[in-house]
Amino acid sequence: KAGVTQTPRYLIKTRGQQVTLSCSPISGHRSVSWYQQTPGQGLQFLFEYFSETQRNKGNFPGRFSGRQFSNSRSEMNVSTLELGDSALYLCASSSGLAKEGNIQYFGAGTRLSVL
Amino acid sequence: GQSLEQPSEVTAVEGAIVQINCTYQTSGFYGLSWYQQHDGGAPTFLSYNALDGLEETGRFSSFLSRSDSYGYLLLQELQMKDSASYFCAERNYGQNFVFGPGTRLSVLP
Repeated sequence: KAGVTQTPRYLIKTRGQQVTLSCSPISGHRSVSWYQQTPGQGLQFLFEYFSETQRNKGNFPGRFSGRQFSNSRSEMNVSTLELGDSALYLCASSSGLAKEGNIQYFGAGTRLSVL
Repeated sequence: GQSLEQPSEVTAVEGAIVQINCTYQTSGFYGLSWYQQHDGGAPTFLSYNALDGLEETGRFSSFLSRSDSYGYLLLQELQMKDSASYFCAERNYGQNFVFGPGTRLSVLP
């Protein structure tokens, strides 16, 4: 089985711009979660999508949004970028069900730099 | 609220055994997971405890005690390639995933 694929791997943007990141989960997985990782804050949960619906949401401003398509692929959007949004954005997939839903498989991440 | 605590750094020598602890204050969660992340890489799943007790996966074992609000990851026969950051994580009853701050393990020759 192919793993979790995130594109692009690297991105440079300027303040005020918006960005869209993409994630393709493991085949058969219906849950996709997004995380922001920074040296100071560690791994912070953004949101989780399951069967095209946002199931859970972390404590991030409304500038961070996402969606999931019928094939389980997910996109994350950040609008009006700020310098503090510079981070590694990780996507993780899981079956989303029962015990196995508590185990996540991560993509390589998108490193976003905001200048 | 929920939070997980881990030591920030641990150092050990090749061939040794090391234990990385994780304590939590969560009121309820489905289980405790452990992930490994090498510098520049993505976290990879190592082990999961849904119930109290020990789970063994090769050189890695994980333990959970809900009554003590405590878990640990045990790494045996340490190798240089085990130098990485290790995170404990939980999925709480609110369905959010929460990660600990991570423990950086340095394995010395």
